[in-house]
Amino acid sequence: ELKVEQNPLFLSMQEGKNYTIYCNYSTTSDRLYWYRQDPGKSLESLFVLLSNGAVKQEGRLMASLDTKARLSTLHITAAVHDLSATYFCAAGTSGSRLTFGEGTQLTVNP
Amino acid sequence: EAGVVQSPRYKIIEKKQPVAFWCNPISGHNTLYWYRQNLGQGPELLIRYENEEAVDDSQLPKDRFSAERLKGVDSTLKIQPAELGDSAVYLCASSSEGQTHAETQYFGPGTRLLVL
Repeated sequence: ELKVEQNPLFLSMQEGKNYTIYCNYSTTSDRLYWYRQDPGKSLESLFVLLSNGAVKQEGRLMASLDTKARLSTLHITAAVHDLSATYFCAAGTSGSRLTFGEGTQLTVNP
Repeated sequence: EAGVVQSPRYKIIEKKQPVAFWCNPISGHNTLYWYRQNLGQGPELLIRYENEEAVDDSQLPKDRFSAERLKGVDSTLKIQPAELGDSAVYLCASSSEGQTHAETQYFGPGTRLLVL
């Protein structure tokens, strides 16, 4: 059974600082997704990573995938308040279910 | 392009009552998912449809939950009877095959269920 673990679960950071959220998964997966969820809202797709070494960037967020280590990272550069949200990673294989992590609740303070 | 539509957005019922949720996926998406999200946790899959066929319902509590996707488009999820522990957000998502989106699942706004 695939298990997905994120850390940290809670992250409070100052504006302008950098930080990384980690996502470990327990069994072989060929795709890794990152989603953002604002309070009371649904999930918004951020990135999909399909191969070892894949790196994708959008604004201040950059996601990477290391399939050998079964690890994905979401790096935040020069955080701004608008990035405050809960971030989920999800792993799975083509045609199968996705398993989500518990989420990382990010708060960016002025 | 319209997103995934769900209704109702909120529902408050007493325990032992029935409740139903409706989902209309993104046009052309053949795969539809129902998830349950408890407070402070990630979504957990209840059932996945490929067109009108339920291909993964192993996590659906079949004693009280049922779902259907007639004609392979809209879907309904029903709980009968509801229990206190069913209070959660029920999310519908859809996806399509193809390399461009790599089966990315697009989520609806969810239905917040409170069972009293």
